[in-house]
Amino acid sequence: GAGVSQSPSNKVTEKGKDVELRCDPISGHTALYWYRQSLGQGLEFLIYFQGNSAPDKSGLPSDRFSAERTGGSVSTLTIQRTQQEDSAVYLCASSSEREGEQFFGPGTRLTVL
Amino acid sequence: QKEVEQNSGPLSVPEGAIASLNCTYSDRGSQSFFWYRQYSGKSPELIMSIYSNGDKEDGRFTAQLNKASQYVSLLIRDSQPSDSATYLCAVNEGDSSYKLIFGSGTRLLVRP
Repeated sequence: GAGVSQSPSNKVTEKGKDVELRCDPISGHTALYWYRQSLGQGLEFLIYFQGNSAPDKSGLPSDRFSAERTGGSVSTLTIQRTQQEDSAVYLCASSSEREGEQFFGPGTRLTVL
Repeated sequence: QKEVEQNSGPLSVPEGAIASLNCTYSDRGSQSFFWYRQYSGKSPELIMSIYSNGDKEDGRFTAQLNKASQYVSLLIRDSQPSDSATYLCAVNEGDSSYKLIFGSGTRLLVRP
């Protein structure tokens, strides 16, 4: 079956603009995660959605970051008033159960000029 | 602060050799352990998961877990040049079954 998909694959924006990143998880997966990977760094947890439960937003670095998941499937990560330090690869993952193995999408490379 | 430590490498091994990748973690409550492979410019790909002490084998890969020593390793037998990548160790936070902490990865180079 299809894996996790993300769009766009690349996004170049100017400082101060808003961006939206999209993730479509594996069909049937109830859990969805967003991570950020800066150049040469490990993965940083951002946010977690599980079914209809309230999301765990504890990893969001500032109030400029928000995410939603509509209908328990597709998720959008929004970054408002982008800053240069927001430049990174944003990765989405999904899993079939709360403690399940996480499968990653191809990522969105965000560059803030 | 909860941490996952990996030697950044590069670890260089000849083709056909066994590559041994190591990871230590700080959170004694962690119960789920994962190894991911990440090629340059690509996203992480799950290789192995392990939840119990001991060894778990899958093809050329063996994951080893020792919770008492807070140590998890990945052995790659008969290493191939195509195994050259960065290997990420991930461990769940003890008080969160789903939140993973990733190490910075070990870069593996397999010489033909």
